[in-house]
Amino acid sequence: QVQLVQSGGGVVQPGRSLTLSCAASGFTFSNYGMHWVRQAPGKGLEWVAVMSYDGMNTFYGDSAKGRFTISRDNSKNTVYLQMNSLRPEDTAVYYCAKPAISLKVIVVSLDHWGQGALVTVSS
Amino acid sequence: QSALTQPASVSGSPGQSISISCTGTSSDIGGYDYVSWYQQHPGNAPKLLIFDVSNRPSGISSRFSGSKSGNTASLTISGLQAEDEAYYYCNSYTSDRTNSLILFGGGTHLTVL
Repeated sequence: QVQLVQSGGGVVQPGRSLTLSCAASGFTFSNYGMHWVRQAPGKGLEWVAVMSYDGMNTFYGDSAKGRFTISRDNSKNTVYLQMNSLRPEDTAVYYCAKPAISLKVIVVSLDHWGQGALVTVSS
Repeated sequence: QSALTQPASVSGSPGQSISISCTGTSSDIGGYDYVSWYQQHPGNAPKLLIFDVSNRPSGISSRFSGSKSGNTASLTISGLQAEDEAYYYCNSYTSDRTNSLILFGGGTHLTVL
């Protein structure tokens, strides 16, 4: 079955960097774009970034532009989110998510989600 | 960045039907059939209920249905059950490049009375 196992969350000081990982199994990873979505404590969902299945296209949400980088290693079935210049307002649970449809650059329906990784930005 | 607009809360009694609205613009909901709905219980990851406006993934109960009219999408839950009490989110693609590529609604808390 599809599994998305996340790692890399934790507490980080403002201005520092942190990289999240999401290891996928149970599906042909290289056929699917992968997304990151975050949820601040007590708040709603916010889309962060997507990388296309072939790694050729990336798109970022407004809060991530210029500071976050999404990447993937199809040989390791893993997608990453590198977060630089972190701010207290980046504190959230970060989810990786798989789209429901393969081989399309942009798919908004996300049918499997990781368990979430809490990132706390605090001095 | 403008999120899609959802009511903060709705409620209903067991067995009843409720609808949750999700309002956007012609650049997102009104312009494309790329609306999805998610259910999230506290402490858990979201779960996809509806994709492409009105399609249910396999394993999702037929009690959940989706529709769209103009710039507003709706999720209807029929035969309310206690386990339906949760948060519900919509999302949509947007072509408005002053926004993020994908928008989420602010979320609606459903209380089953």
